[in-house]
Amino acid sequence: KQEVTQIPAALSVPEGENLVLNCSFTDSAIYNLQWFRQDPGKGLTSLLLIQSSQREQTSGRLNASLDKSSGRSTLYIAASQPGDSATYLCAAPTSGTYKYIFGTGTRLKVLA
Amino acid sequence: GAVVSQHPSRVICKSGTSVKIECRSLDFQATTMFWYRQFPKQSLMLMATSNEGSKATYEQGVEKDKFLINHASLTLSTLTVTSAHPEDSSFYICSAGGPTSGGVETQYFGPGTRLLVL
Repeated sequence: KQEVTQIPAALSVPEGENLVLNCSFTDSAIYNLQWFRQDPGKGLTSLLLIQSSQREQTSGRLNASLDKSSGRSTLYIAASQPGDSATYLCAAPTSGTYKYIFGTGTRLKVLA
Repeated sequence: GAVVSQHPSRVICKSGTSVKIECRSLDFQATTMFWYRQFPKQSLMLMATSNEGSKATYEQGVEKDKFLINHASLTLSTLTVTSAHPEDSSFYICSAGGPTSGGVETQYFGPGTRLLVL
């Protein structure tokens, strides 16, 4: 059964820092992995989707990598801004299905 | 890219009433949709798989008579929380399988519906 873990659970950094959020999963037979952002009291915003055949995806200041063999994905945020403050979730599907298992998230706070 | 919408985005209701949440795939058809919920300060958990034209499949521990799912068309699935109680207050999100990305079907997630039962 797929299990998804995110480290750290919370992170507070000064504005401008580059930072890395980590996600690990136990079942590497996945179609893809997705990263989301969730603001307090709000819904999910899809950030990046990495297909199993890809090693990374980039969108603006965000870069997500995927290493299936080690069961890890990282989300890299460059030059962090206070507007980046949110909870970041990664999700990976259970093997052979489209049922996603979500990590517990990393609560990021970027200080001005 | 493909878009999944949910309606309403936020709903407040009295205990004992039923609430219907809609999930629509706006520019693609989906034979299967998934419903998730998120309790405060917890992560999202899969509730059920909604299958167009057939009964939904529920995850262990989810009451099918409490959470009625109807997938009447290829673009619409509804989740009805029957006789809602305060403990049903949660954030409900759906996903739908959409256009392929790199040859693989991709799940697109709705923005979510926040339910508060008083």
